[in-house]
Amino acid sequence: GAGVSQSPSNKVTEKGKDVELRCDPISGHTALYWYRQSLGQGLEFLIYFQGNSAPDKSGLPSDRFSAERTGGSVSTLTIQRTQQEDSAVYLCASKWGGRDGELFFGEGSRLTVL
Amino acid sequence: GQQLNQSPQSMFIQEGEDVSMNCTSSSIFNTWLWYKQEPGEGPVLLIALYKAGELTSNGRLTAQFGITRKDSFLNISASIPSDVGIYFCAGRAAGANNLFFGTGTRLTVIP
Repeated sequence: GAGVSQSPSNKVTEKGKDVELRCDPISGHTALYWYRQSLGQGLEFLIYFQGNSAPDKSGLPSDRFSAERTGGSVSTLTIQRTQQEDSAVYLCASKWGGRDGELFFGEGSRLTVL
Repeated sequence: GQQLNQSPQSMFIQEGEDVSMNCTSSSIFNTWLWYKQEPGEGPVLLIALYKAGELTSNGRLTAQFGITRKDSFLNISASIPSDVGIYFCAGRAAGANNLFFGTGTRLTVIP
């Protein structure tokens, strides 16, 4: 597609439920990133994919968080047994595999855990 | 982990004034980037810097990659109301895959 697409744009869930957030990167972008942005805060790195593999999962805050990417394209971030502190905007970004740094971001998925 | 300190946290300025914000790192970066985020949107890349000492302009925006590789600044000249938003610095260390982001500078322009 023309830009990075994320869904849902808003998700309200009850504590303890699982959620899945989806990211469609820009067509042809081989690298995909997930970041988390809490209210009034900067962006916290979660995980990075190159193709379908995730060489850097260092930012995932707990084992309740996981992500996968299939076909070198769509990625899903899954949060199990959600907690209130998981409430944040989850941003996905993608870039060409070549020159570094130029991430293109989606509009984010706003998660609210009640 | 790497820490990015961005200042100021917020700025209220009159339309037409110049703006300056900066970012410092506890470690060396090979890439410095500046992004702008508007409400309900993802960050949008403004300027990318790849060499120490590099000074790059994009319209009314100018950014520099500090020679120590541990800092960068962004200047906005002759601010206009649509400059309102949150500005983030971001840095990437050598051999690293991820960008580290600063905490942001919230800019308000008063017409």
